[in-house]
Amino acid sequence: GENVEQHPSTLSVQEGDSAVIKCTYSDSASNYFPWYKQELGKRPQLIIDIRSNVGEKKDQRIAVTLNKTAKHFSLHITETQPEDSAVYFCAARGSARQLTFGSGTQLTVLP
Amino acid sequence: DSGVTQTPKHLITATGQRVTLRCSPRSGDLSVYWYQQSLDQGLQFLIQYYNGEERAKGNILERFSAQQFPDLHSELNLSSLELGDSALYFCASSVANRLGETQYFGPGTRLLVL
Repeated sequence: GENVEQHPSTLSVQEGDSAVIKCTYSDSASNYFPWYKQELGKRPQLIIDIRSNVGEKKDQRIAVTLNKTAKHFSLHITETQPEDSAVYFCAARGSARQLTFGSGTQLTVLP
Repeated sequence: DSGVTQTPKHLITATGQRVTLRCSPRSGDLSVYWYQQSLDQGLQFLIQYYNGEERAKGNILERFSAQQFPDLHSELNLSSLELGDSALYFCASSVANRLGETQYFGPGTRLLVL
């Protein structure tokens, strides 16, 4: 089945700096890659997603890039703010048609 | 608010007991997914139902079962509970089962087994 690896597990950045989180997947048939943000004790919330026919997608300070050849995708957050502090999960949907999640990245934005 | 509701919010029970978690999907959504999130762990897919039928199974223990009713709400039954079953249980819903469909998560049920 699908295997998704996510790095780093923790990330601290200064407010205003950029943050990058990377994921790799194993199923070459995967074609949908969402990113979720989860604040402590709350539900995961979709922040951005990308489909395999697109290489990059941007939404204000958030962007996601996809490299199908290398089977990896990344989340980029620019001009980070304290409210960006949360756990971020990547996921991939492969031939089994179910989402497989990465292990999460705890992002801390230091004021 | 995603439109997905889950009850109860918190549940405290003892080992060996059985509990039922309930999920109501967003209006119009036919698919319901159940996930388990243990402390400091990621989201583990348990099972998916689509329009009343089981569609996909993940790492769901035999002690756990689920169903989706004609009104599309779903229940996750956990029996012979063990300490290690303590976790956050989320359900999510999507419109159908198409590739690239967004899943919307409910607020979760926090289960504590003592």
